[in-house]
Order: sequence, then structure tokens, then C-alpha cells
Amino acid sequence: QKEVEQDPGPLSVPEGAIVSLNCTYSNSAFQYFMWYRQYSRKGPELLMYTYSSGNKEDGRFTAQVDKSSKYISLFIRDSQPSDSATYLCAMGTNAGKSTFGDGTTLTVKP
Amino acid sequence: DGGITQSPKYLFRKEGQNVTLSCEQNLNHDAMYWYRQDPGQGLRLIYYSQIVNDFQKGDIAEGYSVSREKKESFPLTVTSAQKNPTAFYLCASSIILGSGNTEAFFGQGTRLTVV
Repeated sequence: QKEVEQDPGPLSVPEGAIVSLNCTYSNSAFQYFMWYRQYSRKGPELLMYTYSSGNKEDGRFTAQVDKSSKYISLFIRDSQPSDSATYLCAMGTNAGKSTFGDGTTLTVKP
Repeated sequence: DGGITQSPKYLFRKEGQNVTLSCEQNLNHDAMYWYRQDPGQGLRLIYYSQIVNDFQKGDIAEGYSVSREKKESFPLTVTSAQKNPTAFYLCASSIILGSGNTEAFFGQGTRLTVV
């Protein structure tokens, strides 16, 4: 069983929709949580980074962490065609390395 | 501009050859990482280094080697022992705080193809 499981997708939504991307994990030692956006043939770009349970908002993006349920989510409001990409969740411990989900490919149709 | 530079962007290797992928960062980050990404899959850790002249194996280190002679450089060699080297290789770096590592920032990747 993988330490990090990510909803596989692909996901296709109309422009303006609210998108929910989700990951679960099994390792209680994970202390920080990240979401990356990756466009085709490019390196991942950090979107959100958080240590604690709860919500963190940045513009149209909200990251939610529930450590008791070992569940994290990324919400995208008012989705745009430019949001079409693969989204990767990642989690890490203080040991110095992160574990990534397999990614969810999102397409936002105009 | 600060960032992580990977070169080359595309690399072709013949069977039985070793090739070296370059990764340079000017962010003054302590930690550096190499990941491999296959189509439709997430990132798998090959090697990482928290300090100069020291590095640790990740989850798929077999067939790869690294060095960390300078803080800003972390080259990856894909050896002939790596049986399936065709993949997208990503280098990343992060700061190390007292509480642990912070988020990683990535380069733009090197796509390696065996011909």
C-alpha cells in the first residue's frame, strides 16, 4: 500500500466550477503538506504549503488538512482554462524528504 | 533571478552508456533532490543531499549515482546498470530549518530517452 494515495482522475469541469482535489495518507509522521501544479513537460510549481490542520487560503486556492483523518484537499474556486494541469500532493517529515501522490490531471473547459 | 537550472532539457543515450544530468541552484538552499517521473505517475525519489559531501539513497537509487562537491551543484549520473532509464528527471532544492525541511522548488526537468 502506498503511503500517499491521490484521487486518480482525470477530472474535467466547465469554466467557473469549483474543483476539489484529494489525497489520503497513512504515515502519521507526516508534518507538512504541499500541493504542486505541473504543466505538461514542465517542472512542478509549488501552490500551497502548510504545517497545520485547518484551512489555508491563497487567492482562488484553498488547502485543507485534516490530520485526524489523514486527509488533505485542494479547492480551486472559479476555475479557469489556465488551471488545466496535473496537480500533485506531497507530504514530508523532518527527515528531509517528501512523498508525492501520483497526480490528478484536471481539464477546465471554456 | 534565483532558481534551479537543469541541463540539458533533452538527452539521448545509447544502450550501455553512462550519462550525467546537471542541476545547479543559486537559491543558497541546503538540500537538493533528484526525482524520476514516468508517464501518468508521481515523483519517485532517487537520491537526496542535505549537506555538501553527503547524500542518501532514495526509493529507487539502483543504477544511479550522485555527488555533492559544492552546495549549489548536484549532478546525477544514469549508469548502464539502470535497465529502464527513459523518463523525465527532476531536480529540486529546499531550505533546512531547525524544524526540518521546507517546501521544495523544482527545475524544469531533463527528458532522457534511450535510443
